[in-house]
Amino acid sequence: KAGVTQTPRYLIKTRGQQVTLSCSPISGHRSVSWYQQTPGQGLQFLFEYFSETQRNKGNFPGRFSGRQFSNSRSEMNVSTLELGDSALYLCASSVGHGGNSPLHFGNGTRLTVT
Amino acid sequence: KQEVTQIPAALSVPEGENLVLNCSFTDSAIYNLQWFRQDPGKGLTSLLLIQSSQREQTSGRLNASLDKSSGRSTLYIAASQPGDSATYLCAVEETSGSRLTFGEGTQLTVNP
Repeated sequence: KAGVTQTPRYLIKTRGQQVTLSCSPISGHRSVSWYQQTPGQGLQFLFEYFSETQRNKGNFPGRFSGRQFSNSRSEMNVSTLELGDSALYLCASSVGHGGNSPLHFGNGTRLTVT
Repeated sequence: KQEVTQIPAALSVPEGENLVLNCSFTDSAIYNLQWFRQDPGKGLTSLLLIQSSQREQTSGRLNASLDKSSGRSTLYIAASQPGDSATYLCAVEETSGSRLTFGEGTQLTVNP
């Protein structure tokens, strides 16, 4: 069974631009979560989608948004990029929303903002 | 606000040694606790998930314990190997379906 796939793997953008990251969950998984990982802040939760609905949202500004499609694939968008948005963005999928479902992570998208 | 702490931040051991990684959390009302492994430049791999009603979980050379009342979990790695070198993270889920709160991780190096 294929794992969680994130595209692209690497991305370089300049300040003020916007970016869209993509995540394809494991087949049959309906929940997708996004996390930001930086050396200073560690792993921080962005949001979770289940059945095309946002179920949880972290403490990030409105420039960070996401959506989930009917096939459970998810996209994350960051508008008006800032230098501090440089990070590894990780997507994770699970079978359901809660219920002791382990998270399965992709290898991430490394975003560099210059 | 839940806070998760992992000690030590880094650990270097010779191959074959048994070792313990520690994780503590401030709010004992958790739904589950998970241990992950992260290799450089990669995503996280789930190792063990302990439900709040459980005391421990085992997978191969790994054993994780959970003491909710004291807000602590340990990950025991038996007979360590160089391939175990990675960063180990613990994370708590406070209620079913809530976000995970992660610790900063323990960077483990196993020397041949």
